[in-house]
Amino acid sequence: AQSVAQPEDQVNVAEGNPLTVKCTYSVSGNPYLFWYVQYPNRGLQFLLKYITGDNLVKGSYGFEAEFNKSQTSFHLKKPSALVSDSALYFCAVSEGFSGGYNKLIFGAGTRLAVHP
Amino acid sequence: DTGVSQDPRHKITKRGQNVTFRCDPISEHNRLYWYRQTLGQGPEFLTYFQNEAQLEKSRLLSDRFSAERPKGSFSTLEIQRTEQGDSAMYLCASSLPPEQFFGPGTRLTVL
Repeated sequence: AQSVAQPEDQVNVAEGNPLTVKCTYSVSGNPYLFWYVQYPNRGLQFLLKYITGDNLVKGSYGFEAEFNKSQTSFHLKKPSALVSDSALYFCAVSEGFSGGYNKLIFGAGTRLAVHP
Repeated sequence: DTGVSQDPRHKITKRGQNVTFRCDPISEHNRLYWYRQTLGQGPEFLTYFQNEAQLEKSRLLSDRFSAERPKGSFSTLEIQRTEQGDSAMYLCASSLPPEQFFGPGTRLTVL
């Protein structure tokens, strides 16, 4: 069965410092991996995806993520955090593109708090 | 606005009542998904449409839940005889694969 683990409920970082939000996954086939961000009372906003190719993918708002197949990880990173990055971050996985669609399995989320 | 829209944004109802939510996807997207998100959890898949065909339903979707997508455009999610455990945020997403784009959600509170 597919699953996603986000081991940290909350990550605290000072503005200007680098940030990492961790994600590990479990699928039986080739994974499609995604990061979404959720602001209060808002829907999920797509940040970036890994489908194939380079292990380092770049996304919106200066975020990037590194796919590591041997460690089954897809950690979200940003070189310099902003206070406005404070939000709830979700990692999601789908098992390839079976049947022409990709049902997403989400982690429980990690709350990022960036302090001035 | 060319994003996914959902209506209503908030719904408060009494236990036992029926409720219906609407989702309007991005116009060129033929794939539409419904998810449910409870407090402190990530979204959980409920059901999926390709055009007007409902191709998968989660076990979370009890027989009190029904979803439709007439003519492959907007979709509705109906919950009959609501229970307090149905209180959650109901999210709709549409897709031009592989990424999914989410609407703002409908927050349901069952009293």
